Amino acid sequence: EDKVVQSPLSLVVHEGDTVTLNCSYEVTNFRSLLWYKQEKKAPTFLFMLTSSGIEKKSGRLSSILDKKELSSILNITATQTGDSAIYLCAVVNQAGTALIFGKGTTLSVSS
Amino acid sequence: NAGVTQTPKFQVLKTGQSMTLQCAQDMNHNSMYWYRQDPGMGLRLIYYSASEGTTDKGEVPNGYNVSRLNKREFSLRLESAAPSQTSVYFCASSQGTVGYTFGSGTRLTVV
Repeated sequence: EDKVVQSPLSLVVHEGDTVTLNCSYEVTNFRSLLWYKQEKKAPTFLFMLTSSGIEKKSGRLSSILDKKELSSILNITATQTGDSAIYLCAVVNQAGTALIFGKGTTLSVSS
Repeated sequence: NAGVTQTPKFQVLKTGQSMTLQCAQDMNHNSMYWYRQDPGMGLRLIYYSASEGTTDKGEVPNGYNVSRLNKREFSLRLESAAPSQTSVYFCASSQGTVGYTFGSGTRLTVV
């Protein structure tokens, strides 16, 4: 069964801190892993990772995939209150037909 | 561009009532999905449709039915609502599993 496990489930930090969110997965025939940010409404896309060891970066956010360890991390440096959100990790399922999501990490950044 | 449009945005049902959640996309995507989101549970796949005329069960299909009316529309029906179906429902569409676009969600409460 395809599975995605995220840790921690919740995290509270102060503005300016750096955070690392973890995602591990079990899926046959891995295709890709995706990260989303969800604030009040629908998830919004952050990164898609397919190749091991290649960092994707967007401003203060970056992510990398480790296929050997079946995991990915999402780093956020110099956190801001606007980074407060649920961060979701997902993998394409075995059949290649849908995304399977983890439970998410709820990040709270206090000023 | 409208993207993915879900209706209604909010709904309160009594136990045993039925209702249909509507979803339409204008991006000519082949694949459409229904997810539910409960606190601390991430997004769980209810049903998906990889192409017009096909539908498949996801992780949590019990108590739901779907119809892929045409390429644009994918509806989710609750025949006899139960309190356990209180949730936020998201419709999404994609071309393959690339470029998921989510609707803004339907908050359903069953009392």
